[in-house]
Amino acid sequence: EPEVTQTPSHQVTQMGQEVILRCVPISNHLYFYWYRQILGQKVEFLVSFYNNEISEKSEIFDDQFSVERPDGSNFTLKIRSTKLEDSAMYFCASSPTGGVRYGYTFGSGTRLTVV
Amino acid sequence: RKEVEQDPGPFNVPEGATVAFNCTYSNSASQSFFWYRQDCRKEPKLLMSVYSSGNEDGRFTAQLNRASQYISLLIRDSKLSDSATYLCVCDNAGNMLTFGGGTRLMVKP
Repeated sequence: EPEVTQTPSHQVTQMGQEVILRCVPISNHLYFYWYRQILGQKVEFLVSFYNNEISEKSEIFDDQFSVERPDGSNFTLKIRSTKLEDSAMYFCASSPTGGVRYGYTFGSGTRLTVV
Repeated sequence: RKEVEQDPGPFNVPEGATVAFNCTYSNSASQSFFWYRQDCRKEPKLLMSVYSSGNEDGRFTAQLNRASQYISLLIRDSKLSDSATYLCVCDNAGNMLTFGGGTRLMVKP
C-alpha cells in the first residue's frame, strides 16, 4: 500500500535554529498538508498546498513557517527560528484530489523537540 | 471557532464488550466526517468515514445525526488490539480537517 514517508523521525534543535521537516507524499497525489500535535493535545491543521502554492493556512502558520515543493517528490516544512512551543509531532498528509471527502493518509510523523 | 468535542475517557472495557463513543461538532457547514484511530505517539489512521445513512465495517458501526451535529462509533466484540485513542474528525467546509481531542479506549483481558 502506498504511504507518505517523513524524515527525520525525531529532530532535536536549539531554540532559535531553523529546521526543515521533509515529506515524500504518495506519488500521484496532488494535495499536500501539514498538521501538528503537541503532546497530549489535539491534532491541528497548519497548511494545505496545491499547484505549488498554499491553498489554506491556519493562524498557527505564521511568518516563521514556510512550505515548499522543491522537486517532484519532496514536500518540506521549514520553521525559521524555532521556539520551545514548536515542540510537537508534525504530520504530513497527501490526497489525490481536493476536498477531504475520503479522508487522507498521514505519514508517521517527525517528533520535533526544541531545547 | 469550529470545534469537535469528545469525552476523553478512558473507557476501560473487558474483551468481548460493546463500547460506544460519541462526539459533537459545531460547524454546521461540515460535510465529511471520519473516525480515525491513533496509537500512542503514532500517526492518526483512518478507521472509517461516517455517512448520514450510517455505515458498518466489520465490528465497527458509525452514525451521523446532522440535526443534532452528533457522530457516534460503536465497537462490538472488543479485542485487545482495539486499545487506542479514537479521534472524531470533521472537515471545516474547506480542505482541512478539524480533530476532536480523542477518546481513549483500553480493552482488558
